[in-house]
Amino acid sequence: AQSVTQLGSHVSVSEGALVLLRCNYSSSVPPYLFWYVQYPNQGLQLLLKYTSAATLVKGINGFEAEFKKSETSFHLTKPSAHMSDAAEYFCAVSDDTGGFKTIFGAGTRLFVKA
Amino acid sequence: DGGITQSPKYLFRKEGQNVTLSCEQNLNHDAMYWYRQDPGQGLRLIYYSQIVNDFQKGDIAEGYSVSREKKESFPLTVTSAQKNPTAFYLCASRAIAGGSGTGELFFGEGSRLTVL
Repeated sequence: AQSVTQLGSHVSVSEGALVLLRCNYSSSVPPYLFWYVQYPNQGLQLLLKYTSAATLVKGINGFEAEFKKSETSFHLTKPSAHMSDAAEYFCAVSDDTGGFKTIFGAGTRLFVKA
Repeated sequence: DGGITQSPKYLFRKEGQNVTLSCEQNLNHDAMYWYRQDPGQGLRLIYYSQIVNDFQKGDIAEGYSVSREKKESFPLTVTSAQKNPTAFYLCASRAIAGGSGTGELFFGEGSRLTVL
């Protein structure tokens, strides 16, 4: 069965500082991994996805994530935080089995201090 | 523009009433999903459908029902049997290309249901 664990329900950084949001997954078959962002009272938007091509994936708004199979991790990073990055971020896993379900982590809320 | 439309955005319900949340997509996606979002719990899958006239229960289907009579539409009914229905409900769709689950989900703006 698939599962996703996001370490830290809240992360606070200063504007201009490195953003690091952690995600570990569990999957019995090769996974597809995603990061989504959600702004208040809105749906989720895709930031980036890993689908077994390059292990370092670049997404929108300067975010990137690295797939590390040995660590079963898919951490999200951004070199320099901007105030507009304040939102909730969700890591998710899918695969080619089980009706193409996508399983989400509990989410990490990012706060950016001026 | 293609996308997913959910309605209503806000809904208030008295205890004991059934309510139906609408979800329509014009992305020509085969698969559609309903998720429930509660603070600190992420998104939990209620129901999903890969083709018309077929759907499967997700992790928290009790107290909910769905139909998939058209490819574009996947309404969710929150029944009076759902003990704690106050939540934010999100509808999503995805393409299933070549039998692969690599496609990302596209989400609607959500419907917030409050039980009075």
